[in-house]
Amino acid sequence: DGGITQSPKYLFRKEGQNVTLSCEQNLNHDAMYWYRQDPGQGLRLIYYSQIVNDFQKGDIAEGYSVSREKKESFPLTVTSAQKNPTAFYLCASNPGNTNEKLFFGSGTQLSVL
Amino acid sequence: GENVEQHPSTLSVQEGDSAVIKCTYSDSASNYFPWYKQELGKRPQLIIDIRSNVGEKKDQRIAVTLNKTAKHFSLHITETQPEDSAVYFCAATLTGANNLFFGTGTRLTVIP
Repeated sequence: DGGITQSPKYLFRKEGQNVTLSCEQNLNHDAMYWYRQDPGQGLRLIYYSQIVNDFQKGDIAEGYSVSREKKESFPLTVTSAQKNPTAFYLCASNPGNTNEKLFFGSGTQLSVL
Repeated sequence: GENVEQHPSTLSVQEGDSAVIKCTYSDSASNYFPWYKQELGKRPQLIIDIRSNVGEKKDQRIAVTLNKTAKHFSLHITETQPEDSAVYFCAATLTGANNLFFGTGTRLTVIP
C-alpha cells in the first residue's frame, strides 16, 4: 500500500465530538483531495488542495475542515456541525493541479456512536 | 455543474461473458472520462480513461467508448474473470477543473 496512507481505518465519533482523519502521501504530489463515499452514491468532493497552505471547498464542505501545512499531509476534521458523518472517507492525490489520474488511499470508515 | 448517471447499479455475468456498463453526462464541455475499479475493502484504482478527441480506447480485455454527441460513454469488459468482480465508477470532468464528477457505481459480479 505505498503512496497514500490513511489512518485510522475505522473511527467512531461521539455526538458533539470533532474527529480528525489523517492522510499522508510520499508521492511528492502537489494536489490532494478528500472524498466522501456513501452506499449507492458516487464519490463526492469535500475539500481539495492544489498547493501547500491553500485549499478550496468542494461540493459538500459544510461540517468539515482541512489544513495543508505540509505537502505530504492533508488532514480532514469532521466537526460536530456535520450531522450525518457516517461514511467512508477517501483521500486522493495527483501530481499536478488537475483532477486526472487520482491515486487513492485505502479509506477511513467513520461511524457515529 | 456536471451530472453523471451510471447504469446498471448491479450486474451479474457468467465467467467468460462480456460486461457493459454505461454512463451519461450532462455538461458538453467535459472532455476527460476515467473509469475506476474498487475491489471489496480496497481503494479505487484507475483502470482506463478516455479523452473527448477519441471515440474508443482499448487495454487488453477492457475498452471504453465515447459518444460525444449523445454524451454517453461505456466500459466494456470481455472474457470476464472472477477477479473482475468489483464496483466500477465512471467519472467526467473538464481537464484543468478542480472536481471529478463520479457516477453512482456498478457492482459487477462474475459468476465462476
